[in-house]
Amino acid sequence: DVKVTQSSRYLVKRTGEKVFLECVQDMDHENMFWYRQDPGLGLRLIYFSYDVKMKEKGDIPEGYSVSREKKERFSLILESASTNQTSMYLCASSLQIGQPQHFGDGTRLSIL
Amino acid sequence: KQEVTQIPAALSVPEGENLVLNCSFTDSAIYNLQWFRQDPGKGLTSLLLIQSSQREQTSGRLNASLDKSSGRSTLYIAASQPGDSATYLCAVRSGANSKLTFGKGITLSVRP
Repeated sequence: DVKVTQSSRYLVKRTGEKVFLECVQDMDHENMFWYRQDPGLGLRLIYFSYDVKMKEKGDIPEGYSVSREKKERFSLILESASTNQTSMYLCASSLQIGQPQHFGDGTRLSIL
Repeated sequence: KQEVTQIPAALSVPEGENLVLNCSFTDSAIYNLQWFRQDPGKGLTSLLLIQSSQREQTSGRLNASLDKSSGRSTLYIAASQPGDSATYLCAVRSGANSKLTFGKGITLSVRP
């Protein structure tokens, strides 16, 4: 079974802090994704990556950046956290584009 | 722009009932459609994926159908159980290299 692991289930940070959310997958998947999920808005794609050191903007990249230095790890970075970035963050991976995405358990991030 | 709609937002049924969850999409030119389950505070678990060339997929008590021409998919759950209580999301991929577009989900409650 594919395992996608997000480093923290819950995280509390303060406005202006630089925040790192980590995601690791163990199935040698090419593609990795970061979403945020908010009540009434559903899942929205922030960034995705097709390969190591490659990244593409999703629907809502503003205020975020990503890093993929190794195939198995995809990091989401909040450069200067703001209260409107309080959300549930979900990481996913897929073997190739067009194939099923497998999700981690999510990180519930609160920015105070 | 593809839009995915799931109505109603919530559904409550007695245990043992067969039920159908609906998903509609605006652009019928899709690559595939995926159904997910999400338990409270958790990530998404992939249930079924239907390719554009397929009409249905089955897994245990679950059956998903796809009618591209009418822009609709249904998830049929047979003999519902309290353990089926969760939020069910459908997601559409418009092209082989396209991102997933998610519906907002249907929260299902199965009463014992």
